[in-house]
Amino acid sequence: ETGVTQSPTHLIKTRGQQVTLRCSSQSGHNTVSWYQQALGQGPQFIFQYYREEENGRGNFPPRFSGLQFPNYSSELNVNALELDDSALYLCASSSTQGIPPYEQYFGPGTRLTVT
Amino acid sequence: AQTVTQSQPEMSVQEAETVTLSCTYDTSESNYYLFWYKQPPSRQMILVIRQEAYKQQNATENRFSVNFQKAAKSFSLKISDSQLGDTAMYFCAFMKHLNTGTASKLTFGTGTRLQVTL
Repeated sequence: ETGVTQSPTHLIKTRGQQVTLRCSSQSGHNTVSWYQQALGQGPQFIFQYYREEENGRGNFPPRFSGLQFPNYSSELNVNALELDDSALYLCASSSTQGIPPYEQYFGPGTRLTVT
Repeated sequence: AQTVTQSQPEMSVQEAETVTLSCTYDTSESNYYLFWYKQPPSRQMILVIRQEAYKQQNATENRFSVNFQKAAKSFSLKISDSQLGDTAMYFCAFMKHLNTGTASKLTFGTGTRLQVTL
């Protein structure tokens, strides 16, 4: 069984640019959640996708957007990058089969640096 | 909204000793779940242990156990027989139960950095 994978591992962008981060869910998982983890902080919920629809959003502006594909892989897009967007971005997948709580399995993250 | 507070930014324990990490939370929900996650330097977030709020019995997973005090909204993690591999950031997290059949988000604390020394 393949775990959650994310690409790229590291990324450096310039303020104002756009970035796309990718996540491949664990096999059989139909839900993907994205979190932003600033240095020295706990992860903050950005949004969640369930069966290709956004299913909840945290306190992030609309320039943070996402997609979930039929194979349940996902993308996080950030437009008009700001210096404060520098963080570790974590993807977590889960399956709604079985009994709650639906455990979230995390990927290794993408480290984004905005200069 | 839920909040999770971890008041110990850093802790240190000697190998083979026992250490307890503290976590408090605030919620108006009656049905929820609590988790402890470990994040080693490799960055991968790993689930250590979970507790369902409706269960009175404290969860245990090998060397890891929790002290869940629902009325006090406290959820501490005890690590027994600490090992060098336990060195990591530990995050306490809250998830509310949804009746929709979908997954809910995790709300994390700010973490406790645990260093296990020889």
